[in-house]
Amino acid sequence: DVKVTQSSRYLVKRTGEKVFLECVQDMDHENMFWYRQDPGLGLRLIYFSYDVKMKEKGDIPEGYSVSREKKERFSLILESASTNQTSMYLCASKQGNSPLHFGNGTRLTVT
Amino acid sequence: AQSVTQPDIHITVSEGASLELRCNYSYGATPYLFWYVQSPGQGLQLLLKYFSGDTLVQGIKGFEAEFKRSQSSFNLRKPSVHWSDAAEYFCAVGDTDKLIFGTGTRLQVFP
Repeated sequence: DVKVTQSSRYLVKRTGEKVFLECVQDMDHENMFWYRQDPGLGLRLIYFSYDVKMKEKGDIPEGYSVSREKKERFSLILESASTNQTSMYLCASKQGNSPLHFGNGTRLTVT
Repeated sequence: AQSVTQPDIHITVSEGASLELRCNYSYGATPYLFWYVQSPGQGLQLLLKYFSGDTLVQGIKGFEAEFKRSQSSFNLRKPSVHWSDAAEYFCAVGDTDKLIFGTGTRLQVFP
């Protein structure tokens, strides 16, 4: 079974802090994704990556960056956290036409 | 523009009753179609998918969905709901690169 692991279930950060959200998958998937989930808005794509060191902007990339130095790891970075980035963040991976496999999410609160 | 609409934000049914969750989409070509379920505090789990072929697809947990091209719909159904089906359900459409998610339908089940 594919396992997508997000290192933190809950995070509380202060405004202006640099925040790292980590995601690791164990199935050698080429494609990895970061979504944020907000009530009434569903899931919105922040960034995705097709391969190591490659990244593509999703629908809402502003205020975020990503890093993919190794195939299994995809990090989401909030350069300077703001309160409007309080949200649930979901990482996912897939290979080719396979469906997305999701992690359990990181609930981030920025105060 | 590409979009997914789940018109029902919240649905309440009695245990044992039938269920239909609606999903309509706007997409340039025939998309890949998915239904995911999210239990509280968890990531998203794939219920079923449609790529091509038979327009009635079977999924896990007794769910099925029917692709109707003429109506641009992919409604999810279950003949008899169980209390454990209470969760949030997301319809998603897309291609091999990325998915667009609906805003979700929260299902509540009464005993």
